[in-house]
Amino acid sequence: QSALTQPASVSGSPGQSITISCTGTSSDVGGYNYVSWYQQHPGKAPKLMIYDVYNRPSGVSNRFSGSKSGNTASLTISGLQAEDEADYYCCSYTGSSTEVFGTGTKVTVL
Amino acid sequence: EVQLVESGGGLVKPGGSLRLSCAASGFTFSNAWMTWVRQAPGKGLEWVGRIKTQADGGTTDYAAPVKGRFTISRDDSKNTLYLQMNSLKTEDTAVYYCTTGYYDGSGASGHWGRGTLVTVSS
Repeated sequence: QSALTQPASVSGSPGQSITISCTGTSSDVGGYNYVSWYQQHPGKAPKLMIYDVYNRPSGVSNRFSGSKSGNTASLTISGLQAEDEADYYCCSYTGSSTEVFGTGTKVTVL
Repeated sequence: EVQLVESGGGLVKPGGSLRLSCAASGFTFSNAWMTWVRQAPGKGLEWVGRIKTQADGGTTDYAAPVKGRFTISRDDSKNTLYLQMNSLKTEDTAVYYCTTGYYDGSGASGHWGRGTLVTVSS
């Protein structure tokens, strides 16, 4: 199972919106509504930001939103803030009853 | 408050074995699917494997790179998750995280431990 494809880096100015894509296949992202997104700051454990494509865990800012079209899922961060600078990973359930992570995206706030 | 505390990491030679443990508290462990995720130094996250609840058959699933070498088990009476790692390779060097689903039956990792470092080197 190959890793899902994410852009290596995305940047934006404070207040702007950015979108991170996560491209898989019909055997993972496109086949199931089980895509999750994680935020990881340096030296810290990842944090769940979005689950089941669209849903936000309690306590996660509504500036974070998820969507999916075909084999590509997306994470949008609106009203970008300095604290959003981190690595972001998508993850999808697969047809093999396993999960696969994306390659990861470094978000830089300019 | 959900707490997951991994232990058992360390330095091991290629071909060796190691068993990691994850002590869980703050939730009904027996109702939770439990997952191991790893992260090699400076690299991205990699899903290792998962064990379902006894009610869901207690089945395990593994990523291809570890299948046949790693075994996940659980002791619901001790609220503890295990990862038995055999025939270790240098590429297994990573921080290993224990995670639990955001809701019962969920594969999304809602809670994470701090991780334990495994170094495979001669």
